[in-house]
Amino acid sequence: DGGITQSPKYLFRKEGQNVTLSCEQNLNHDAMYWYRQDPGQGLRLIYYSQIVNDFQKGDIAEGYSVSREKKESFPLTVTSAQKNPTAFYLCASSATGYSYEQYFGPGTRLTVT
Amino acid sequence: AQSVTQLDSHVSVSEGTPVLLRCNYSSSYSPSLFWYVQHPNKGLQLLLKYTSAATLVKGINGFEAEFKKSETSFHLTKPSAHMSDAAEYFCVVSDLVMNTGFQKLVFGTGTRLLVSP
Repeated sequence: DGGITQSPKYLFRKEGQNVTLSCEQNLNHDAMYWYRQDPGQGLRLIYYSQIVNDFQKGDIAEGYSVSREKKESFPLTVTSAQKNPTAFYLCASSATGYSYEQYFGPGTRLTVT
Repeated sequence: AQSVTQLDSHVSVSEGTPVLLRCNYSSSYSPSLFWYVQHPNKGLQLLLKYTSAATLVKGINGFEAEFKKSETSFHLTKPSAHMSDAAEYFCVVSDLVMNTGFQKLVFGTGTRLLVSP
């Protein structure tokens, strides 16, 4: 089955700890994305990567970091510098070029207390 | 920059009645437009997309949307609602990142569709 997997589904952390969210795809897509979803705000882009070993900041990158060492994998680290990390995080991938749709993973709900 | 406005945060319909979810976009060039659906605590699924071919786009599960350039609208419709259609729906426009040729997606704030028996 082709698709995107995110793990874990639910994640709980104490304030001040860094946490890494996993995202893996087997769709052979070059581009991958991380979004944050908060109630009533739609999705906001955190980071994206068009190709291995390259990534760009999105609209709300502060307090987050990513790596793209393999085509299939795009992990997101939520650092202690992120002021309000509790949210639903969605990973996506797509082919590159104009008008290609993005395919989404099932999401990780992070709760920081 | 491109943007989308979803005109209703909530829409309530009865099962078997038509669905209309409204979306207006702002774009300085001919955009690609998408509708995605999200069931609670799940990822997003593509319903349909418009990419400058036919203005009436048919999607999955009986949904369709019409691109109206003169009105800058891309409303989502379905003739007869089903209980399983209850979910959140996002209207999305493509936006080219300057000097890169890369396309990112800009999401509306969502419309929650409630379907009553």
